[in-house]
Amino acid sequence: KAGVTQTPRYLIKTRGQQVTLSCSPISGHRSVSWYQQTPGQGLQFLFEYFSETQRNKGNFPGRFSGRQFSNSRSEMNVSTLELGDSALYLCASRDGQALSYEQYFGPGTRLTVT
Amino acid sequence: QKEVEQDPGPLSVPEGAIVSLNCTYSNSAFQYFMWYRQYSRKGPELLMYTYSSGNKEDGRFTAQVDKSSKYISLFIRDSQPSDSATYLCAMSDRGSTLGRLYFGRGTQLTVWP
Repeated sequence: KAGVTQTPRYLIKTRGQQVTLSCSPISGHRSVSWYQQTPGQGLQFLFEYFSETQRNKGNFPGRFSGRQFSNSRSEMNVSTLELGDSALYLCASRDGQALSYEQYFGPGTRLTVT
Repeated sequence: QKEVEQDPGPLSVPEGAIVSLNCTYSNSAFQYFMWYRQYSRKGPELLMYTYSSGNKEDGRFTAQVDKSSKYISLFIRDSQPSDSATYLCAMSDRGSTLGRLYFGRGTQLTVWP
């Protein structure tokens, strides 16, 4: 089975712009979670989508949003970018069934805001 | 206080050594425990996952969970230079929040030949 894929892998944006990141989960997985990784804060949970519905949300401002499509692919959007949004954005997929808890990560999108 | 505490190291050991990595947590609702390995500029790779208390072994890796002490460990036997990476512990509780992982800050491990 192919792993989790994320596009693009690298992105450079200017403060004030917006960005959309994409994640394709492992085939058959219905849950996609997004995380932000920075040297200062480590890995922090953004949100989780399951069957096109947001199921959990972390403590991030409303500038961070996401969605999931019927094929389980997910996108994450950040509007009005700030310098502090520079980070590695990771998505992880999970089977989503009741007894399935392990998450598999993609390679990440490295976002640099200048 | 963070919900998951992990000594960031760095930890440097010779090849062949036994490595012990640990995390403590404060939320007694955590039921599922995972260890990830992350190489520089890569995504985390799932190494081990366990439910509730007990031990789980996979090759050179052993994961231990002690829920009474809120303490989890990962042991690496016969460590190799290829094990040099950052090791992250992660955990979640049950139910609707199962998809939200809480991470430690990671321990940076170097295994030298």
